[in-house]
Amino acid sequence: AQSVTQLDSQVPVFEEAPVELRCNYSSSVSVYLFWYVQYPNQGLQLLLKYLSGSTLVKGINGFEAEFNKSQTSFHLRKPSVHISDTAEYFCAALKTSYDKVIFGPGTSLSVIP
Amino acid sequence: DGGITQSPKYLFRKEGQNVTLSCEQNLNHDAMYWYRQDPGQGLRLIYYSQIVNDFQKGDIAEGYSVSREKKESFPLTVTSAQKNPTAFYLCASSMNRGRTETQYFGPGTRLLVL
Repeated sequence: AQSVTQLDSQVPVFEEAPVELRCNYSSSVSVYLFWYVQYPNQGLQLLLKYLSGSTLVKGINGFEAEFNKSQTSFHLRKPSVHISDTAEYFCAALKTSYDKVIFGPGTSLSVIP
Repeated sequence: DGGITQSPKYLFRKEGQNVTLSCEQNLNHDAMYWYRQDPGQGLRLIYYSQIVNDFQKGDIAEGYSVSREKKESFPLTVTSAQKNPTAFYLCASSMNRGRTETQYFGPGTRLLVL
């Protein structure tokens, strides 16, 4: 069965510092990949998604992610974080078929002033 | 404004009681989903519906029931058979159940057991 792993459950980072949130998926076939953000007591909002084409995907709020097929990774990055980026971040994957989305366990990003 | 609404924001359930969580969307989306969120476990799919009057079980459907009588509504009932219902419940919708379709989420309902 396909799974999505987010190695870091919590990531503290100082304001204006860069951050990388790691995501790995297990699949022997091509996948579609997503990053969602969840602010406290709210639903999830799509940050970006990789469907095909360029492996570097840019999303909202200055985030970007790079698809690496050989390492089965889809890490999320931001060069300079703000206090408002404090939230839970979920990586998700979908196989190239009409299958359900698989969510990772989430990474809690805390931006320290 | 188009979007998804869930009510109530907080819901309390007594032992042996059935409770219903509301989910409404005005995005004209065909597909709707219910997820359960527990700390450190991400989201798990309870039920989904691709079209009116049709729905399918997800990974953790036991103890839950749904209906899809209208396109815009997909209520979830947590029955007394669900022994550990305390969680954050998220409803989502997508234009159709295609593999690349973005899911749009509601604000969630937190269910607590008295």
